[in-house]
Amino acid sequence: AQTVTQSQPEMSVQEAETVTLSCTYDTSESNYYLFWYKQPPSRQMILVIRQEAYKQQNATENRFSVNFQKAAKSFSLKISDSQLGDTAMYFCAFSWGGSGNTGKLIFGQGTTLQVKP
Amino acid sequence: GAGVSQSPRYKVAKRGQDVALRCDPISGHVSLFWYQQALGQGPEFLTYFQNEAQLDKSGLPSDRFFAERPEGSVSTLKIQRTQQEDSAVYLCASSLAPVRPSKPEAFFGQGTRLTVV
Repeated sequence: AQTVTQSQPEMSVQEAETVTLSCTYDTSESNYYLFWYKQPPSRQMILVIRQEAYKQQNATENRFSVNFQKAAKSFSLKISDSQLGDTAMYFCAFSWGGSGNTGKLIFGQGTTLQVKP
Repeated sequence: GAGVSQSPRYKVAKRGQDVALRCDPISGHVSLFWYQQALGQGPEFLTYFQNEAQLDKSGLPSDRFFAERPEGSVSTLKIQRTQQEDSAVYLCASSLAPVRPSKPEAFFGQGTRLTVV
């Protein structure tokens, strides 16, 4: 069974600094997607960044980037120039790839990130 | 609509009551998911629809939980004889189906927070 583990329940960072959130996963699949979602107090899950397993290049979206280590099954999120609006709970998630797969997500336990002024 | 809409946003139910939670997915999205998120935890998959067909209900915790999507758009999650352990946020998400490499991600609503007293 696929599992996703986030070992950091809480993190904090000073505004404008850089922070890295960790995620490991376990799967025997070769075709899959990995995601980082942000959940602010409003509860709406917002997609931050995604990575296709077949792509070796790490995904980047503005201040957000990932370090995807496929062999180690590690998928960490780096937030540069942290902003107060980045304060939220962050979830790492796994989804199967390939035709016929539904897009069902397996989530980690989450990391609460607080950005301090 | 522009996003996934869920109603009500908050629901308080007395133990033993039946509740119905509504989800309006993004127009044109054929995949619809329900997740249950306990306080401080990651969302857990409940069930999946492709159009009106419920293709995966492996995550429903008991036969008190029932979901439907009769016309392939709006979905309702019904919980009968609610119990305290049903207290959680119920998230709905929609996505394009089948999973496409360019658009694998799901879009989430703001959820319904159910409190059973």
